[in-house]
Amino acid sequence: QVQLVQSGSEVKKPGSSVKVSCKASGGTLSSFAFSWVRRAPGQGLEWMGGIIPVFDIVKYAQRFQGRVTITADESTGTANMELSSLTSEDTALYYCAAAHCGGQCYSRYFYNYNLDVWGKGTTVTVSS
Amino acid sequence: QSVLTQPPSASGTPGQRVTISCSGGSSNVGIFSVNWFQHLPGAAPKLLIHSNHQRPSGVPDRFSGSKSVTSASLAISGLQSEDEAYYYCAAWDDSVNGWVFGGGTKLTVL
Repeated sequence: QVQLVQSGSEVKKPGSSVKVSCKASGGTLSSFAFSWVRRAPGQGLEWMGGIIPVFDIVKYAQRFQGRVTITADESTGTANMELSSLTSEDTALYYCAAAHCGGQCYSRYFYNYNLDVWGKGTTVTVSS
Repeated sequence: QSVLTQPPSASGTPGQRVTISCSGGSSNVGIFSVNWFQHLPGAAPKLLIHSNHQRPSGVPDRFSGSKSVTSASLAISGLQSEDEAYYYCAAWDDSVNGWVFGGGTKLTVL
């Protein structure tokens, strides 16, 4: 059973950073292609970036470039997303989503992977 | 302002058929497949439709998807109270080189 388990809620001060983790079960990291998506209050879903661990390919949405870092840790089976220079506008529910390839993922392109399975989300609140 | 355009709301009575539209452009829906997600309050989004019209295992055949040029639609037939949720369309976008979503449609079952 493929499952994504995310880390718990966070409360952060403006200007600080937050790191959210996503532990994948049901396969090794090489069998997943991960994306991070957020939903701010009153807003729709927004893609932040992703990683294809088997190729070590990382891509970031333009508006988060320079502020977000996405990594994958094979030893813990975890994908991570770190967002820096937080403001109140970063208060949101952050989701980890992934395509599960069955075997090793085959494509270097994110558009070949659907967002098949999602974590339950991590609430990040930015407040002074 | 979302890249893909959806109506903010839709409604229907139990048993009815409703459709939700998703309008994009030549850099996204026009050249890439459309996915649809169901988002129930307090739950993780769920993939309903991928590759324009394919249903993942476990998704009832009451849900169907279609695409024509730069627009896509999600149809829900035999509407049930548990279908009340937000629905989002998504596609890869060649201009921004990332996934883009619609603003979401809140479906109310009257």
